[in-house]
Amino acid sequence: SAVISQKPSRDICQRGTSLTIQCQVDSQVTMMFWYRQQPGQSLTLIATANQGSEATYESGFVIDKFPISRPNLTFSTLTVSNMSPEDSSIYLCSVVVGWTSGTDTQYFGPGTRLTVL
Amino acid sequence: DAKTTQPNSMESNEEEPVHLPCNHSTISGTDYIHWYRQLPSQGPEYVIHGLTSNVNNRMASLAIAEDRKSSTLILHRATLRDAAVYYCIRKCGSNYKLTFGKGTLLTVNP
Repeated sequence: SAVISQKPSRDICQRGTSLTIQCQVDSQVTMMFWYRQQPGQSLTLIATANQGSEATYESGFVIDKFPISRPNLTFSTLTVSNMSPEDSSIYLCSVVVGWTSGTDTQYFGPGTRLTVL
Repeated sequence: DAKTTQPNSMESNEEEPVHLPCNHSTISGTDYIHWYRQLPSQGPEYVIHGLTSNVNNRMASLAIAEDRKSSTLILHRATLRDAAVYYCIRKCGSNYKLTFGKGTLLTVNP
């Protein structure tokens, strides 16, 4: 298993500013993911952040808007840049533990609730 | 895109069994069926997964149809703490990604 913490837990920001969200895991993991959950919606994968390589972004998400760092096997940051009210969402990180074909389990952080005014 | 179909919502009474259905009629032979749930104001948590055979763990049971086109998550005795959105996810065996649908909102009445 894995225990994940995120900082901040919530924030209210002004449009045009940027916010960096931190994700800390209590064990070393290779695969880490960032998701967005817009109000009343399901989770959408933003990017995969594996240590030692550039983050891989899903369709509709770009590095300039959501730069990601993965400096080591227990930590990652996601920055939401030049924010607009449409970026108001919950941002969650997750990790994969015990990855073998089909049987891996993802563990999720508690999320960061972002409101952009 | 790995798609599943679930009812938008279901209701149950406390201490009664709950059967949450999921349709995955286009599932391929290498796709696993994973279930996650999201309690209010929390991130999703893993519940159970399976390939062909029925599976049991301390949280729930997973019954998979013989043709694998559908499955049912079974909570044997619902508690108030089981009120959550339950996501049924088809996961390709060689792919680590989870694609979340809308899920089923389970309400548990005292």
